[in-house]
Formats: sequence, structure tokens, C-alpha cells
Amino acid sequence: GQQVMQIPQYQHVQEGEDFTTYCNSSTTLSNIQWYKQRPGGHPVFLIQLVKSGEVKKQKRLTFQFGEAKKNSSLHITATQTTDVGTYFCAGQGYSGAGSYQLTFGKGTKLSVIP
Amino acid sequence: GAGVSQSPRYKVAKRGQDVALRCDPISGHVSLFWYQQALGQGPEFLTYFQNEAQLDKSGLPSDRFFAERPEGSVSTLKIQRTQQEDSAVYLCASSLWGGGTLFRETQYFGPGTRLLVL
Repeated sequence: GQQVMQIPQYQHVQEGEDFTTYCNSSTTLSNIQWYKQRPGGHPVFLIQLVKSGEVKKQKRLTFQFGEAKKNSSLHITATQTTDVGTYFCAGQGYSGAGSYQLTFGKGTKLSVIP
Repeated sequence: GAGVSQSPRYKVAKRGQDVALRCDPISGHVSLFWYQQALGQGPEFLTYFQNEAQLDKSGLPSDRFFAERPEGSVSTLKIQRTQQEDSAVYLCASSLWGGGTLFRETQYFGPGTRLLVL
């Protein structure tokens, strides 16, 4: 079945430094979504990328979808303590069992040192 | 409602006990999903409903897991004869339309039920 790998698993940065997490799928994806989960919280939708090579920005966050629609990245510029949490990518592809499932990566846990 | 709600928020069960976890999706949302999130892992798909129809249950780990959504709104995930490996956070998510056939739908997650099986 579809697998989504995400690296790194953990990242500790000094406040103000940049941060990047990478996501790679074993299969071509219909789209990729990014979620943020704060400690003790639930995943919150950030963005969805659909087109090959797509780049989207949300303030200090930049999201990219690879040309082959199998990989993606999230880059945060000048991290702040409010960026702390776990960032998940989730690839959407047909499950073969009746739905377009979201397959989540294991996430990258970001710690920001003030 | 304002968001997806789940109850209970925490559940401690003895091994072998049956549990029932409830999800109230956002009012009017057609699609409902259940995920299992083990500690330090990403959510893993369990099952999907479109209204009252369970269209995909390919992620349910065993026949001890059963989900229903009889009236197309509230859903219940039932785990029979719980085992220690069932300990996890169970997340429910809903989306407005057909998460199963119309992708690109944003899924809104509930706070989850943290299940601990002793």
C-alpha cells in the first residue's frame, strides 16, 4: 500500500533559525496536505497542494509539491516559539477499497529554543 | 456545531473490556473518518463513512473493531475485548462532501479520545 516517509523525526532550532521538513511517497499522489499538531492537541489543517511543482506560501511558511507529485516540503523562515509542534504531511491517493485515503507521515516534531 | 467533538476524552479500560467511542461531526458534514494515532506516530486511517454508508473499512486492524453511523451524523467506534496494543488516541474527522470520491476536501479533526488499556 501507499507509504509516506517524513524526515527528520525531530528538529531542535534556535528561535529565528529556519526549519524544513521533507515528505516522500512511495506512489504518485492526487494531492498532499500538511497538518500541525500542538502538544496534546489534534491535527489542524494547514494547506493542500494539488498541482505538480506547486509552491504555496503562508506568511513564514512555504510549501512545495514535487514535479512527480511524490514528494513535498515545508519550510519555515525565522522560527518563533509559536511554531512548536509536530508537522505532518498526508498524501491522498485512491485506496482501492472505496475511498481516497489520507496516509500520514510520522511527523517532524519541532522544538524552538528561545 | 462549532467543531468536531469526541467523547470521552480519556478512557481507561481493563484488558478484555469492550469500549465505545463517540464522534459528533460538524453539522451537515457528509464524510466522517476514524483514525488511530499511536504515541509518536502519525494518524492511521481506520474507516470512512459517507452519510450512513461505511464505504471503506480497510484500515480496521481486526474484527474486534467495529464502527457505525446509523443516521448519517453521530458515529461510534467500538472495540471489543480490548488489548494493550489498542492503546492510542482515536481521532475522528469530518469533511463537508465526499472525502471518498471527491478529494481535495479539508478534513476537520476532533480532539480525540485517548484510550489506555491496562
